[in-house]
Amino acid sequence: GQQLNQSPQSMFIQEGEDVSMNCTSSSIFNTWLWYKQDPGEGPVLLIALYKAGELTSNGRLTAQFGITRKDSFLNISASIPSDVGIYFCAGRTNFGNEKLTFGTGTRLTIIP
Amino acid sequence: DAMVIQNPRYQVTQFGKPVTLSCSQTLNHNVMYWYQQKSSQAPKLLFHYYDKDFNNEADTPDNFQSRRPNTSFCFLDIRSPGLGDAAMYLCATSRGKVFSTEAFFGQGTRLTVV
Repeated sequence: GQQLNQSPQSMFIQEGEDVSMNCTSSSIFNTWLWYKQDPGEGPVLLIALYKAGELTSNGRLTAQFGITRKDSFLNISASIPSDVGIYFCAGRTNFGNEKLTFGTGTRLTIIP
Repeated sequence: DAMVIQNPRYQVTQFGKPVTLSCSQTLNHNVMYWYQQKSSQAPKLLFHYYDKDFNNEADTPDNFQSRRPNTSFCFLDIRSPGLGDAAMYLCATSRGKVFSTEAFFGQGTRLTVV
């Protein structure tokens, strides 16, 4: 089955730094979604991507759908304390395929 | 306003005692999902409904069942919970048309098995 690998697994950064994480797959995906999950809560959708090469921003967040359709990345600029959490990528292989596969997650910690 | 609502937020059940978790949505979405998430792991899909069509994942244990009596509600039944079933259970919905759209999650139900 499809696997999504995220890197890095964890990040320790200082407030104000930029963050970059990525997600790679062994299969082609037609939809990429990025979620943030706080402890004890459900994932919250940050950005959705539908076209290869697409670059989409949501405030300080920017995500791109890789040209090969096998990867995506998420950047966070000027990190703030509330950015702490676990970031998951998720993808669908086909239009009309409702199964959403999740990546392994990137845990972001901000050092005061 | 919450659009995907899970009840309860926390559930404690005894080993082997059947338990039901519930999910409701106000989005009128066609698809409803149930995920299991263990500590520090990615959510793992158990099954999903497209309208009334049930789609089970191949590796979902028989101990887990689901019901969707109408568009708004979906239930997860665990027939005989074991200690290994302690986890966060997440419900999600999506519109589910040909051009698949985003999935929206509820806040989750944390299940403890004692």
